[in-house]
Amino acid sequence: QVQLVQSGAEVKKPGASVKVSCKASGYTFTGYFLHWVRQAPGQGLEWMGRVNSNSGGTNIAQQFQGRVTLTRDTSISTAYMELTSLTSDDTAVYYCTRVDHWGQGTRVTVSS
Amino acid sequence: DIQMTQSPSSLSASVGDRVTITCRASQGIGSDLEWYQQKPGKAPQRLIFGASSLQSGVPSRFSGTGSGTEFTLTISSLQPEDLATYYCLQDHIYPWTFGQGTKVDIK
Repeated sequence: QVQLVQSGAEVKKPGASVKVSCKASGYTFTGYFLHWVRQAPGQGLEWMGRVNSNSGGTNIAQQFQGRVTLTRDTSISTAYMELTSLTSDDTAVYYCTRVDHWGQGTRVTVSS
Repeated sequence: DIQMTQSPSSLSASVGDRVTITCRASQGIGSDLEWYQQKPGKAPQRLIFGASSLQSGVPSRFSGTGSGTEFTLTISSLQPEDLATYYCLQDHIYPWTFGQGTKVDIK
């Protein structure tokens, strides 16, 4: 069965970076794009961007351009989302998704 | 960017009621609209894709209609397990954009 398993919760200081991983299994990794969506506490869903798991090409939402890098390693069927220059506004649960399947979410807390 | 506007932002209904949620796009998106259900503390789950196609495993009481700029999600007979927040998503053009969500409570 399709599974997306994300890395564990992170606590970071303002100005730091975080890298979240998303390991895929149960399907051909290169056959699907993977998207990243975040949800701040008590707020709605926000689409951040997507990576073409085959070519590595990306589309990033404008508000994240320059701070977000989406990559993948096809040898281990894993996608990554790196977010830099963290502020308290980046405190959220970050999801990877194939749209029909979602990871369990990774809580990132930014606090001094 | 395409703006997605959902209404209402919240509703309360009784078990067995018919519930309708609307999503309006700021420009035409054809049928490139998905609906998601998010239960408290859980990841979202896709209910509908292509505006009206039911995701495998989703109960048939959920249905979607619409095209262009106006879309509707209907729950034909509300069940206790449908307590959740529902989101629309346009996947017509990047950046993809979500509606702000509709919280459904059970009376």
